[in-house]
Amino acid sequence: LAKTTQPISMDSYEGQEVNITCSHNNIATNDYITWYQQFPSQGPRFIIQGYKTKVTNEVASLFIPADRKSSTLSLPRVSLSDTAVYYCLVGQRGSGNTGKLIFGQGTTLQVKP
Amino acid sequence: DTEVTQTPKHLVMGMTNKKSLKCEQHMGHRAMYWYKQKAKKPPELMFVYSYEKLSINESVPSRFSPECPNSSLLNLHLHALQPEDSALYLCASSPRQGGFTGELFFGEGSRLTVL
Repeated sequence: LAKTTQPISMDSYEGQEVNITCSHNNIATNDYITWYQQFPSQGPRFIIQGYKTKVTNEVASLFIPADRKSSTLSLPRVSLSDTAVYYCLVGQRGSGNTGKLIFGQGTTLQVKP
Repeated sequence: DTEVTQTPKHLVMGMTNKKSLKCEQHMGHRAMYWYKQKAKKPPELMFVYSYEKLSINESVPSRFSPECPNSSLLNLHLHALQPEDSALYLCASSPRQGGFTGELFFGEGSRLTVL
């Protein structure tokens, strides 16, 4: 399983765009990149997943360069309620996969008023 | 129904007690997980069940005993725990038909305190 490295913490202000970068230098050809959000005393929540280029949904965008050795989660116009820990995970999909997902250290995002 | 329900939400037990944590999902998912999370740390994978069979055990001590009675239920039996086992225990499920998608659905967790 590819190891991921993220900043331990980030600060932002309400209304700003936040970009959290994750490094995964040993990503395998079949690996996907998945991001989760976790609020205190709650289980993590799936945010977005991608393989290459750009993926966008209603809450975030995920940018993956051609070499796939890193990825950037972009949160547009954050609010106080986006204060949480964000985890980047790398793992395979498909019928032959064991379903093993390992969480890295995560990035604690603090949004200030 | 897109929920994973865990009970109890809080549990306090002594080191000689036997207790169980329960997890239930009705999304038709065929993979279920137990994670353990200590304060300010990431979730640590403990067990994975796939089609009601134990597929991954991350070298968890035998005082933790998982059980998957059917495709909707997952239990974690606890016996002779240590104070350092105090943590938030998270259950998750994932669709398995058609292959693993990388998306886990987590419950809110059971907060365990071992005295």
